[in-house]
Amino acid sequence: GQNIDQPTEMTATEGAIVQINCTYQTSGFNGLFWYQQHAGEAPTFLSYNVLDGLEEKGRFSSFLSRSKGYSYLLLKELQMKDSASYLCAVLDSNYQLIWGAGTKLIIKP
Amino acid sequence: DAMVIQNPRYQVTQFGKPVTLSCSQTLNHNVMYWYQQKSSQAPKLLFHYYDKDFNNEADTPDNFQSRRPNTSFCFLDIRSPGLGDAAMYLCATSRERGGTDTQYFGPGTRLTVL
Repeated sequence: GQNIDQPTEMTATEGAIVQINCTYQTSGFNGLFWYQQHAGEAPTFLSYNVLDGLEEKGRFSSFLSRSKGYSYLLLKELQMKDSASYLCAVLDSNYQLIWGAGTKLIIKP
Repeated sequence: DAMVIQNPRYQVTQFGKPVTLSCSQTLNHNVMYWYQQKSSQAPKLLFHYYDKDFNNEADTPDNFQSRRPNTSFCFLDIRSPGLGDAAMYLCATSRERGGTDTQYFGPGTRLTVL
């Protein structure tokens, strides 16, 4: 079966750094997406990785290791507005998006 | 400017009373998707359209139907809503299917079943 695993919830302090991990087992791989979803709102696109390595985009970076079936999203200089759920999703061999349940990130002052 | 629009944002219906949710897009994307998302769970794909080609997920209940009368609009019909159908319904679009195009989501419709 296909599976995406992420921690259910994480807590971090404003101004700090947090890393949200995602591991996956899917039938094929055509890339991994990270989406941000604020409570009661739709997911919004953050990043896409298909090659190994780190992609940096402002305060957010995303890392991929295909051999390990592993990705992480790194958030720096945390702000209160970063409190949200972060969803990892993998595009499988049929180009279907397989979604994780999301990691709820709580930012404390 | 909103690119994927969903109406209404909040919908309340009674058990067994049919309800229709709507989605429109200004992106001229070929593919439109309907997802169901329950609290703290991953979005679950119900079906998608590639142009007018309808694709139903194997485990989508028959209670859920969809229509896409033109490129811009897509509807989700729930014929006899049950309490278990209360959820957020997300519409998304992408330029193409079978590629790595990003999916753009609408704001969602939160359905309550009384």
